[in-house]
Amino acid sequence: DSGVTQTPKHLITATGQRVTLRCSPRSGDLSVYWYQQSLDQGLQFLIQYYNGEERAKGNILERFSAQQFPDLHSELNLSSLELGDSALYFCASSVDGQGATLRVNAEAFFGQGTRLTVV
Amino acid sequence: AQTVTQSQPEMSVQEAETVTLSCTYDTSESDYYLFWYKQPPSRQMILVIRQEAYKQQNATENRFSVNFQKAAKSFSLKISDSQLGDAAMYFCAYYAGGTSYGKLTFGQGTILTVHP
Repeated sequence: DSGVTQTPKHLITATGQRVTLRCSPRSGDLSVYWYQQSLDQGLQFLIQYYNGEERAKGNILERFSAQQFPDLHSELNLSSLELGDSALYFCASSVDGQGATLRVNAEAFFGQGTRLTVV
Repeated sequence: AQTVTQSQPEMSVQEAETVTLSCTYDTSESDYYLFWYKQPPSRQMILVIRQEAYKQQNATENRFSVNFQKAAKSFSLKISDSQLGDAAMYFCAYYAGGTSYGKLTFGQGTILTVHP
């Protein structure tokens, strides 16, 4: 058990709908990352939050948004869903999120993922 | 931009034998981390081993070891005495501050099959 909790584990929804994926990081971790894993794209970085603030953005679509709350849990909102959004969405957390403190333990611990199927 | 390349989409090994998975990366940073993650059929991402770029000594974790060649930007994973439970997708990943600011960049993965 990595200590990172993602809910729900599975989600099936129709095109055009909106869903919210939730992530609770490990205790003490300030940084949360969201990744998308689809069959043909590998693991793609979407976005990172550090202590409530957006820290880095990757290939995240405008239809997607995220936030990190004061209790450090994070939500990824996916709207106007398309068939191509079907994927495994991972949340990961780490202690560090700032390049200036790279010497700190840098590994990210992953949740079990949310399997999103858009039909 | 940092890139990570795993040139072996699939590898196979006999149980108890040794296998090496390859990874190369491109970066202009001098300080960074490299990781190998394992993703079994359960889809959980499990950290296998990590290497700090400023350390010359290759990391080792039980049957797993790396060959880190900083100048060549190469980071291979050696699995000794392979076990059936080692069968999984293996991802090489890069982490640095600077412009990548804490995000992990992954390679495309290598599927490892272990034959009994």
